[in-house]
Amino acid sequence: EIVMTQSPATLSVSPGERATLSCRASQSVSSNLAWYQQKPGQAPRLLIYGASTRATGIPARFSGSGSGTEFTLTISSLQSEDFAVYYCQQYNNWPITFGQGTRLEIK
Amino acid sequence: QVQLVESGGGLVKPGGSLRLSCAASGFTFSDYYMSWIRQAPGKGLEWVSYISSSGSTIYYADSVKGRFTISRDNAKNSLYLQMNSLRAEDTAVYYCARTYGSGSYSPWGQGTLVTVSS
Repeated sequence: EIVMTQSPATLSVSPGERATLSCRASQSVSSNLAWYQQKPGQAPRLLIYGASTRATGIPARFSGSGSGTEFTLTISSLQSEDFAVYYCQQYNNWPITFGQGTRLEIK
Repeated sequence: QVQLVESGGGLVKPGGSLRLSCAASGFTFSDYYMSWIRQAPGKGLEWVSYISSSGSTIYYADSVKGRFTISRDNAKNSLYLQMNSLRAEDTAVYYCARTYGSGSYSPWGQGTLVTVSS
């Protein structure tokens, strides 16, 4: 099983600033990596797939990068609605696995 | 618009059974793979099961293999999860999700809560 490790567990950032979230895979997942946003009481929402492709309707301030084992989600200028929990997920190998999440909170 | 609506959750005793349903609308259900993903209270996301568009290919997480059965009825635009021999650790919100490739999930339903407790 591929283990996905996200860092940091919690990230405190001020509105308008940049946030950088990391995800590491225990073995290569190529570019088969997705990012999701989850707000309290809501289902997750797909942000990025293929490591760097924004899903439909996702603002351009969200960007993904990386391949192999190291991935990054960057939010260029944080808006109030961006404070949430973010998960990475690999879909290169079965079983599909998720990271434990990074909580992005207001500083 | 694309919509997924889960139902069938509830309180069940350990060892009991439950059948979850996911009603799809706004897209051609038979063209898409589908998956179930769960989230224990206050915890992260755990993939549970996957089914191909025709139903011919199915995968399960080891934690549910032999106890859960995924199925679909393309004529009814519906996805199902039959859960048997339920354990306390199966307590979670269960989401169905349209699946791309292996793959990535969008959208997700609103989830249905399954509580396994005596």
